[in-house]
Amino acid sequence: NAGVTQTPKFRILKIGQSMTLQCAQDMNHNYMYWYRQDPGMGLKLIYYSVGAGITDKGEVPNGYNVSRSTTEDFPLRLELAAPSQTSVYFCASSYPPPGQGNNEQFFGPGTRLTVL
Amino acid sequence: KQEVTQIPAALSVPEGENLVLNCSFTDSAIYNLQWFRQDPGKGLTSLLLIQSSQREQTSGRLNASLDKSSGRSTLYIAASQPGDSATYLCAVQTGANNLFFGTGTRLTVIP
Repeated sequence: NAGVTQTPKFRILKIGQSMTLQCAQDMNHNYMYWYRQDPGMGLKLIYYSVGAGITDKGEVPNGYNVSRSTTEDFPLRLELAAPSQTSVYFCASSYPPPGQGNNEQFFGPGTRLTVL
Repeated sequence: KQEVTQIPAALSVPEGENLVLNCSFTDSAIYNLQWFRQDPGKGLTSLLLIQSSQREQTSGRLNASLDKSSGRSTLYIAASQPGDSATYLCAVQTGANNLFFGTGTRLTVIP
């Protein structure tokens, strides 16, 4: 199993540009998450999904969009990049639902994004 | 809102020493608590997950305890090695969209 994979590893954007961060998992996990990690701060949840076709906002969703057309893929879209979106982005997946067994979260290696 | 605090923010120990990392949280209504390791420029690696009904979990030289009523968890690392140098994060889950992270303890093990 490859686990959780993310592309690209690094990206520099200009203000106002758009891009999609890719995330895929091959563990057949229903739950998938997008987090951002700013220097010296804990990870914050951007969006999450409990299964294909179902997504919902996390703590910091503004400026981002997601879709979940398959169980495996959960892309994160930035439409109008802003310097405040400079961060490291992590995708994660888990199964089963919280409170129902060992639902530890598995993380991808991250995408380091700089907006100039 | 759940707040997770990790103390100390940084810790340096000589190789071979046993050490304890601390994590506290403000709301005891949690599903589980998870400890992660993060190496510089890398993603998070899950170390241990403790369900709310459990008191501790062990994996090799690592032992994590959970006292839900007092809102505390500890990660005990026995016989530390230079390869243990990393940032250790704890996170508590209170729902599908609620995983709250601490800011981590940066551990350096000196050979």
